Amino acid sequence: NAGVTQTPKFQVLKTGQSMTLQCAQDMNHNSMYWYRQDPGMGLRLIYYSASEGTTDKGEVPNGYNVSRLNKREFSLRLESAAPSQTSVYFCASRGPGGNTIYFGEGSWLTVV
Amino acid sequence: GENVEQHPSTLSVQEGDSAVIKCTYSDSASNYFPWYKQELGKRPQLIIDIRSNVGEKKDQRIAVTLNKTAKHFSLHITETQPEDSAVYFCAATGGDFNKFYFGSGTKLNVKP
Repeated sequence: NAGVTQTPKFQVLKTGQSMTLQCAQDMNHNSMYWYRQDPGMGLRLIYYSASEGTTDKGEVPNGYNVSRLNKREFSLRLESAAPSQTSVYFCASRGPGGNTIYFGEGSWLTVV
Repeated sequence: GENVEQHPSTLSVQEGDSAVIKCTYSDSASNYFPWYKQELGKRPQLIIDIRSNVGEKKDQRIAVTLNKTAKHFSLHITETQPEDSAVYFCAATGGDFNKFYFGSGTKLNVKP
C-alpha cells in the first residue's frame, strides 16, 4: 500500500516548455487534489476532483490543466511553463466520508 | 472560497515550554478544521483535527480549541520537544466541504 505516489520528484524546465505531473493513489479514494507550496504562502489549491470525470478549479488554476483519467490517477499539466510556476507541487487524496487528506511526497519544479 | 489566516509565521520556544498557533477563518459554513505538521523536505501529515460541534480536543501533548462565534481556532503544544520543530498548517473546509483551504504556515523552532 503505497498511498499517494507522484512523479517526477524533481524537474527543471525552460520557460515555455510543457510537462505533466503524474499522481496515483491506491486507497480507493474519490477525491483528489493538486496543491502548490510556496515560501510564506502555505498550500494553495490548484485543482480538485471529486470523482472520476469531474474537476473543479481551486484558488490558483491559471496556467494549469488537469485530467482525472480514472479513479486512481489525477494529472497536472503545465502547457507553457513560466518562472512563477517554480514551486513544490503536492498531490493529495481523501476517501468518501473521511476528512483526512493524504499527501504525496511532493514534486520540486524549477522553471528557468 | 474560504480565507484562512495563521499567526505567527515563526515561533521559537525553549524545550519544555508551550507553543500556541492561532488561525482565523472567514466562512461561517466551515465545519472541519485540521492541523498538519510538515518536517523539512517531507509531506504534510495530519496531527489533530476538530469538528465544528466540538470546542476542544486533546491528544497527548497537543490540543486544538475552536471558537465558532469568533471564527478562530488554535493549536496548543505543551512540553515541547526538539522533534516538534517543523512547519504547522491549519486548514478549513469552507462552504464546499470537499475543498480544504490552508493557512500560510507557522515555523516552530524548539531550542534544546
